[in-house]
Amino acid sequence: QSALTQPPSASGSPGQSVTISCTGTSGDVGGHNYVSWFQQHPGKAPKLMIYQVTKRPSGVPDRFSGSKSGNTASLTVSGLQAEDEADYYCSSYAGSTNYVFGTGTKVTVL
Amino acid sequence: QVQLVESGGGVVQPGRSLRLSCAASGFTFNKDAMHWVRQAPGKGLEWVAIIWYDGSHKNYADAVKGRFTISRDNSNNTMSLQMNSLRVDDTAVYYCVRDPFSGNGYWGQGTLVTVSS
Repeated sequence: QSALTQPPSASGSPGQSVTISCTGTSGDVGGHNYVSWFQQHPGKAPKLMIYQVTKRPSGVPDRFSGSKSGNTASLTVSGLQAEDEADYYCSSYAGSTNYVFGTGTKVTVL
Repeated sequence: QVQLVESGGGVVQPGRSLRLSCAASGFTFNKDAMHWVRQAPGKGLEWVAIIWYDGSHKNYADAVKGRFTISRDNSNNTMSLQMNSLRVDDTAVYYCVRDPFSGNGYWGQGTLVTVSS
């Protein structure tokens, strides 16, 4: 159950786009379409932003989108806004009722 | 609205036990799998355990297997995590999470467990 690999940080100016990668293996990200992304502001509980690779829960802006290629999933935030500054975590089903989270990425809005 | 309220956290000595609870409301509790996820101070998220909607299946992260037990009471809309043989590295905020891989994914506010002598 090794953690999924995410870049420690990412940044962009307001209005720009930022993409965060989440790299796993064929046993987790690459083998299942159960990848979720969570946003966490300091001192707050995480919030679901993307589920099942590409789907957005109701209430999440369409500036947030997800994708997957091979063993790597990605979250793209378009039209960056100040409130998007937060930590982002991916998570994946890893088979046999096991789950794994990513290492987390701190997004900074310049 | 959906609410998940964790309780039971606190300071405990290494080797002792603690029981966390999660009270759910605002949704049909017996239709969703539930998870516990933890976050050590200043660290990332770590999956701890899952229990199926009807309690028929459970699984645990290797780090807690054999020490922690997840359970649920669908008649009272509650979930619990019995934590035995606690270690210093179990220190974390423990979150109760409604199926994080569906569009209904939702996190409670968490309860802090500190294991220290």
